[in-house]
Amino acid sequence: GDSVTQMEGPVTLSEEAFLTINCTYTATGYPSLFWYVQYPGEGLQLLLKATKADDKGSNKGFEATYRKETTSFHLEKGSVQVSDSAVYFCALIAGSARQLTFGSGTQLTVLP
Amino acid sequence: ETGVTQSPTHLIKTRGQQVTLRCSSQSGHNTVSWYQQALGQGPQFIFQYYREEENGRGNFPPRFSGLQFPNYSSELNVNALELDDSALYLCASSLGDRGETQYFGPGTRLLVL
Repeated sequence: GDSVTQMEGPVTLSEEAFLTINCTYTATGYPSLFWYVQYPGEGLQLLLKATKADDKGSNKGFEATYRKETTSFHLEKGSVQVSDSAVYFCALIAGSARQLTFGSGTQLTVLP
Repeated sequence: ETGVTQSPTHLIKTRGQQVTLRCSSQSGHNTVSWYQQALGQGPQFIFQYYREEENGRGNFPPRFSGLQFPNYSSELNVNALELDDSALYLCASSLGDRGETQYFGPGTRLLVL
């Protein structure tokens, strides 16, 4: 079945550091890929998405590139802020599937 | 444009009771999906409703049931609550029933004692 594997957390960085959160997937067909962010006590917010190979999703300084050859969708940000502290989820919808399949989430803490 | 809303925000029940959670979809969306998120884990798909019909179901027992109304709002009902049902329940809306981007509400946190 479809699955998403995320980098184990928690991740702790200093403000203005470079961020990478690794995400790889297994899926039938050609999935659409997503990053969602969850702030403490809240629901999920869509951060960015990519729907086909080599697409780059970007939003609020975050970027992720759909790499079909390595089945990856790593999240990056050049300079993190304290306000980026949250849990980040990589997810996919494969082919004609109806539901999102999520990774286990990566807790990011950014220290001032 | 109105986003996805859920009610109530928090709920405490005892084992064996029944609970109903509600969700209003984003304006223009006709599909609602429900997810359960246990503490420290990623969301797990419960089921999806498209145009008032159940359109897919995850690995959850029949005591988890739902409805979608003509205005595309939705309810999740859980009967015979168990301690393991304690979780954040998330509703997501989308346009169309296959592979569309889903937008989430703030969730309902359920505690079963």
